[in-house]
Amino acid sequence: DTGVSQNPRHKITKRGQNVTFRCDPISEHNRLYWYRQTLGQGPEFLTYFQNEAQLEKSRLLSDRFSAERPKGSFSTLEIQRTEQGDSAMYLCASSLGLSNTEAFFGQGTRLTVV
Amino acid sequence: TQLLEQSPQFLSIQEGENLTVYCNSSSVFSSLQWYRQEPGEGPVLLVTVVTGGEVKKLKRLTFQFGDARKDSSLHITAAQPGDTGLYLCARGLSNFGNEKLTFGTGTRLTIIP
Repeated sequence: DTGVSQNPRHKITKRGQNVTFRCDPISEHNRLYWYRQTLGQGPEFLTYFQNEAQLEKSRLLSDRFSAERPKGSFSTLEIQRTEQGDSAMYLCASSLGLSNTEAFFGQGTRLTVV
Repeated sequence: TQLLEQSPQFLSIQEGENLTVYCNSSSVFSSLQWYRQEPGEGPVLLVTVVTGGEVKKLKRLTFQFGDARKDSSLHITAAQPGDTGLYLCARGLSNFGNEKLTFGTGTRLTIIP
């Protein structure tokens, strides 16, 4: 399968715990994006990388959130001291980063904070 | 903050009927993309429109970009149960939308067999 892969697909955690999600983009895709989607809403942009450089972060990305893409390939999104409001679907997408290309989304990681 | 308004929010119709859903904004888009998302899955790109007045067809789906590039519509002819899903419009910053996307709230479509 050469699509965008996200792990885990589902995560249930207790409030206050830390969680980490992984995204493996399509090979050779330079750009990698993280979005968050809550029930009944469209995805909201969190951050994106051009290779290993994090180029933009949304104001939605509080200090408890950190994303990395250390070698310009896979990326991780960590949430520290989770809160119930963090419950959402976390989506990763990748693109070539050149003009006239589309972003391909993974299946997402659904986080439930109890 | 969602800058794109989609209507209707929910739509449930019988198989074989036609339907149109809308995406509107007060600001001009450089590009607009339509996605379909099924439960538990990520969005899948259907089309990108760039030019005002542009019409693109994808089998039974017809996408139109408004002349002023502030609105778009998606028309489905002879809807089938496989068309069921969440339809999202999204605007990109560049002409080809490969930077961050801003999504609408979506239209949840249910086709009844």
